[in-house]
Amino acid sequence: AQKVTQAQTEISVVEKEDVTLDCVYETRDTTYYLFWYKQPPSGELVFLIRRNSFDEQNEISGRYSWNFQKSTSSFNFTITASQVVDSAVYFCALSDSSGGSYIPTFGRGTSLIVHP
Amino acid sequence: EAQVTQNPRYLITVTGKKLTVTCSQNMNHEYMSWYRQDPGLGLRQIYYSMNVEVTDKGDVPEGYKVSRKEKRNFPLILESPSPNQTSLYFCASSRITGRITEAFFGQGTRLTVV
Repeated sequence: AQKVTQAQTEISVVEKEDVTLDCVYETRDTTYYLFWYKQPPSGELVFLIRRNSFDEQNEISGRYSWNFQKSTSSFNFTITASQVVDSAVYFCALSDSSGGSYIPTFGRGTSLIVHP
Repeated sequence: EAQVTQNPRYLITVTGKKLTVTCSQNMNHEYMSWYRQDPGLGLRQIYYSMNVEVTDKGDVPEGYKVSRKEKRNFPLILESPSPNQTSLYFCASSRITGRITEAFFGQGTRLTVV
């Protein structure tokens, strides 16, 4: 069985604050994939990052960074110096080989509100 | 351009009037899925398909039907819509064998049943 938990349902920050969105996953597989998506107020789902289980290197892309830690089964997402445009719902997802194919499972999402 | 196309984007209908939301992908993905998104509940899976003629129920299948006659298309059918099916619907596709991809999403269909 696979499961993704995003315990924070809503986070509210003031612009320029750093914010971390938590994602904890459960899987029995040694090979799996993790993803983050952003859903801005306009509604579309935007893919942000994909990581496989063999690559624990942290990744930084501009103000975004991701911390993948297999020891704690976490794949957290940090936004540095948040901006109003970062306001969105963020989803974490996991694909493992349960059932023989890598079907994705999504967390419930974290709503981030950045106030000016 | 790789994409998932959903139609229509917006739909208002009356209770009991059958409707179909179409979904098509051009990436030759095996896996396609339908989700509904409601406030506070995240994405909930309705049905999914792992290949042509292979479909299975997700977490909230009641009141919905799907079919997968061709690899590229995965329509969502509401035979007798009810107001509790008012929601934002997303179709997604991904590759689930070999080179695994992220899920590609359609732009969403906002359905209102009155």
